[in-house]
Amino acid sequence: QKEVEQNSGPLSVPEGAIASLNCTYSDRGSQSFFWYRQYSGKSPELIMSIYSNGDKEDGRFTAQLNKASQYVSLLIRDSQPSDSATYLCAVTVAGDSWGKLQFGAGTQVVVTP
Amino acid sequence: DTGVSQNPRHKITKRGQNVTFRCDPISEHNRLYWYRQTLGQGPEFLTYFQNEAQLEKSRLLSDRFSAERPKGSFSTLEIQRTEQGDSAMYLCATRVRETQYFGPGTRLLVL
Repeated sequence: QKEVEQNSGPLSVPEGAIASLNCTYSDRGSQSFFWYRQYSGKSPELIMSIYSNGDKEDGRFTAQLNKASQYVSLLIRDSQPSDSATYLCAVTVAGDSWGKLQFGAGTQVVVTP
Repeated sequence: DTGVSQNPRHKITKRGQNVTFRCDPISEHNRLYWYRQTLGQGPEFLTYFQNEAQLEKSRLLSDRFSAERPKGSFSTLEIQRTEQGDSAMYLCATRVRETQYFGPGTRLLVL
């Protein structure tokens, strides 16, 4: 079982619609959670970080965290073609002093005009 | 632009050759990570530096891999006797508070 799991997609979303991405993690002690966006051939770019249960909104993006269910999600509202990318979920390792991240394999999002 | 630079951006080499990559973080960022990303996968942790000290190495970092960070500034990652399985994107990241910011990466192709 992978430590961070995401649906690989592709997730096809009409322009203007909401894209919903999910991520589950196995390490119950993980404390910090991140969503990165990665365009093809480029490096990951931070979109959101979230540390406590509940929702966190930043522009068109909302991250949701439920530590009891070991689940973190990302909503992209009013999806644009420029949102077409792979979205990586990353979590810190419980008990790790150095903050290294464990990544899921990513969900590919395709926004269709 | 995160302010983290990596060179070269692309490297093609023949199997058995040695390669070295460089990462230049923002000067005041003392925590530096190397990750490797293969096609269709998320980045995998390789090693971590705090200032000049290499504090953790992944099991992925075989004896053919070595990383340094002299004087706590730039960092290098060397791969000796490259194998085709080393083909990947090598990413450097620096950490500010809880967040890691990635450089553009070095894409390695081993023929």
